[in-house]
Amino acid sequence: KQEVTQIPAALSVPEGENLVLNCSFTDSAIYNLQWFRQDPGKGLTSLLLIQSSQREQTSGRLNASLDKSSGRSTLYIAASQPGDSATYLCAARAGSYQLTFGKGTKLSVIP
Amino acid sequence: DTGVSQDPRHKITKRGQNVTFRCDPISEHNRLYWYRQTLGQGPEFLTYFQNEAQLEKSRLLSDRFSAERPKGSFSTLEIQRTEQGDSAMYLCASSLVGRENTEAFFGQGTRLTVV
Repeated sequence: KQEVTQIPAALSVPEGENLVLNCSFTDSAIYNLQWFRQDPGKGLTSLLLIQSSQREQTSGRLNASLDKSSGRSTLYIAASQPGDSATYLCAARAGSYQLTFGKGTKLSVIP
Repeated sequence: DTGVSQDPRHKITKRGQNVTFRCDPISEHNRLYWYRQTLGQGPEFLTYFQNEAQLEKSRLLSDRFSAERPKGSFSTLEIQRTEQGDSAMYLCASSLVGRENTEAFFGQGTRLTVV
């Protein structure tokens, strides 16, 4: 059974800092890994999708990497802004096509 | 198309009542998923459809839960005889059929409160 863990559970940084969020998964036989953003009381917004054959994906200030052999993914956020404050979730997709989520990292960017 | 749409956004119901939620996926997507999220947790898979066929159900989906996607377009999730433990955010997602490149898009969710 796939298990996804996100560390840290919460992170507070001053505006302008670069930061890294971590995600680990137990079953490396995944098709892809997706990073989402969730604002309080809202749904999930897809940020980046990394296919199992890829090592990284970039979108604006976001860069996600994937290392299947070690069961790890990271989300790098450059030059953080207060608007980046949210909960970030990673999810791994395996053969059954369902996504298995971590519990998320709650990010606070302090002005 | 503005994305995945869910209705209602919020629902408060008394214990023992039945509730039904609706999800309209992105129009060309043939896969539709339901997830449940409780406070402080990541979403947990409930069930998914490919077109009108329900292909997989989680053990979380008790007999009081039923989902349909009658014409392969919108889907409904019904909870019968609601319990306080059913209070959660119910999220719907859709995607195209695929493997590595399958990206799921989520709606805004329906927040259910059972009192």
